[in-house]
Amino acid sequence: GAGVSQSPRYKVAKRGQDVALRCDPISGHVSLFWYQQALGQGPEFLTYFQNEAQLDKSGLPSDRFFAERPEGSVSTLKIQRTQQEDSAVYLCASSLIGGGGGGGEKLFFGSGTQLSVL
Amino acid sequence: RKEVEQDPGPFNVPEGATVAFNCTYSNSASQSFFWYRQDCRKEPKLLMSVYSSGNEDGRFTAQLNRASQYISLLIRDSKLSDSATYLCVVSHGSSYKLIFGSGTRLLVRP
Repeated sequence: GAGVSQSPRYKVAKRGQDVALRCDPISGHVSLFWYQQALGQGPEFLTYFQNEAQLDKSGLPSDRFFAERPEGSVSTLKIQRTQQEDSAVYLCASSLIGGGGGGGEKLFFGSGTQLSVL
Repeated sequence: RKEVEQDPGPFNVPEGATVAFNCTYSNSASQSFFWYRQDCRKEPKLLMSVYSSGNEDGRFTAQLNRASQYISLLIRDSKLSDSATYLCVVSHGSSYKLIFGSGTRLLVRP
């Protein structure tokens, strides 16, 4: 595809429901990132994959959050037992090689999934 | 206190005006610096990297002051299409993590 694709675009969940958010990175991109953006805030790092390896999950807010990228392409962010504080836009980003911005490598963001937990 | 601080604005300026945003960062290990632009309900997009010597891209000029740990963005001859939120971003060394400020909102009026 032309860019990073995320689905669904919007998700409404009842408190306590499990949700799964999908990210299709740009084909061939090695690095994949998940960020969480609360209303009026900048994106905050959640987790980082290089191919299928999850190298950093230090930003995941709790053990209710789980991410995977089993074949090194598509990634899924799963949130179990959603809470109201999980309401945010979840952004996926990919880059061609490792580094994802630190070395000036351009990072491509998807349009995000807006999650609303009622 | 956030690691990257920005004035949230909004900055409301007429077309053609020059406007400047500043951003401060607290971690002296920060090595790479960027300005991203985010339109309402859209994803962030890289506007420009910021280099130690300062750099210019058309109407946009970015500067870095390592001693005072601040980064600036100057926009000359503002256009209506410049209306957006401008995010100041840093990363540490060769780290892959980007650390975003909360953004400064710019509104350019006719």
